[in-house]
Amino acid sequence: DSGVTQTPKHLITATGQRVTLRCSPRSGDLSVYWYQQSLDQGLQFLIQYYNGEERAKGNILERFSAQQFPDLHSELNLSSLELGDSALYFCASSVSGTGSIEQFFGPGTRLTVL
Amino acid sequence: GQQVMQIPQYQHVQEGEDFTTYCNSSTTLSNIQWYKQRPGGHPVFLIQLVKSGEVKKQKRLTFQFGEAKKNSSLHITATQTTDVGTYFCAGPETGANNLFFGTGTRLTVIP
Repeated sequence: DSGVTQTPKHLITATGQRVTLRCSPRSGDLSVYWYQQSLDQGLQFLIQYYNGEERAKGNILERFSAQQFPDLHSELNLSSLELGDSALYFCASSVSGTGSIEQFFGPGTRLTVL
Repeated sequence: GQQVMQIPQYQHVQEGEDFTTYCNSSTTLSNIQWYKQRPGGHPVFLIQLVKSGEVKKQKRLTFQFGEAKKNSSLHITATQTTDVGTYFCAGPETGANNLFFGTGTRLTVIP
């Protein structure tokens, strides 16, 4: 158990809908990262927040947005969903906001868009 | 743009055989990390290498960081079925604070 929690574990929805994925980082970690992993694919970095502020942005679509709240939990919002958005979405956390420290991953949310 | 490639993409080995995956970055990395993702699981941090030419061992796993800090390798001696999974290398994205993950190597161990 990494200490990072993600809800829900599974999400099934229809095209055009909007969903929200939630992540709670490990106690004491200030940085949260979101990744997308499509079937048999690598980890695509989406976005990073550090202590409530956006720190880095990857290949995140305009239909996707995220935020980190004062209690440090984060939410990833996916709207106007398409079939291709079906994937595993991982959240990870780390103590600092640099790329030089290990990240702890949550169990992921599996999103299926029908 | 920055790329981190891993070879091979897939590897099947008989239990007891050795396994090596190679990681190559298009840019110099300040450090490199390795993660393992078991089937159906999430990535788990294995190790971080920082110095040029650094070698670290964890039981049957040996990690190396190249002299130019642009490549790395993970070698597993005498594989076991518990080694099954996808191994990812990752390095800091140039000029950014996030990690850039490699393409991964999926290891299958045949009992």
